[in-house]
Amino acid sequence: DTAVSQTPKYLVTQMGNDKSIKCEQNLGHDTMYWYKQDSKKFLKIMFSYNNKELIINETVPNRFSPKSPDKAHLNLHINSLELGDSAVYFCASSPTLGDNEQFFGPGTRLTVL
Amino acid sequence: QKEVEQDPGPLSVPEGAIVSLNCTYSNSAFQYFMWYRQYSRKGPELLMYTYSSGNKEDGRFTAQVDKSSKYISLFIRDSQPSDSATYLCAMNRDDKIIFGKGTRLHILP
Repeated sequence: DTAVSQTPKYLVTQMGNDKSIKCEQNLGHDTMYWYKQDSKKFLKIMFSYNNKELIINETVPNRFSPKSPDKAHLNLHINSLELGDSAVYFCASSPTLGDNEQFFGPGTRLTVL
Repeated sequence: QKEVEQDPGPLSVPEGAIVSLNCTYSNSAFQYFMWYRQYSRKGPELLMYTYSSGNKEDGRFTAQVDKSSKYISLFIRDSQPSDSATYLCAMNRDDKIIFGKGTRLHILP
């Protein structure tokens, strides 16, 4: 199926741990994004990559480090997890940078205990 | 003041009613205005987008933009239980989409 996929779907971990979320799109898009949706459903952009190059870094703590090994993949590594990191993290992609239509993955629900 | 304001609801209406969802914004730099729909435990998906002031219709959905008032609306005619979801307004500037908080909509059968 053509889509944006994320793994894992659920992630429960202790404070202070390091974890990674993986994202892959097989839509042939140039641009990929990470969003955070908090408990109040507020969806906020964290990063965008265009052709593997970081374009937007939206004042996210240094503990969050995105990596794009190729155009089809954008992973998110989080160091020293904090309680406030608990949220749903969505990966998305679009054909080019700035497109109005972004295609979202199913989300990764992160719970930090 | 947040760039995009949206009443989070929830909004409950009977099946068949006309639904009106609204957002206001403060930044005149926004060029494109979008509505995304998000079902529970899923990612958002684009419903429709508009560029200029005025109306745009797609089936039972009508998007309306009033740039002079910095106000956008989404109307849903003949609402169905399957329309129950969170609707997020969104606006595009500087290659970045800014989302509203979303309005939870329940259509009661």
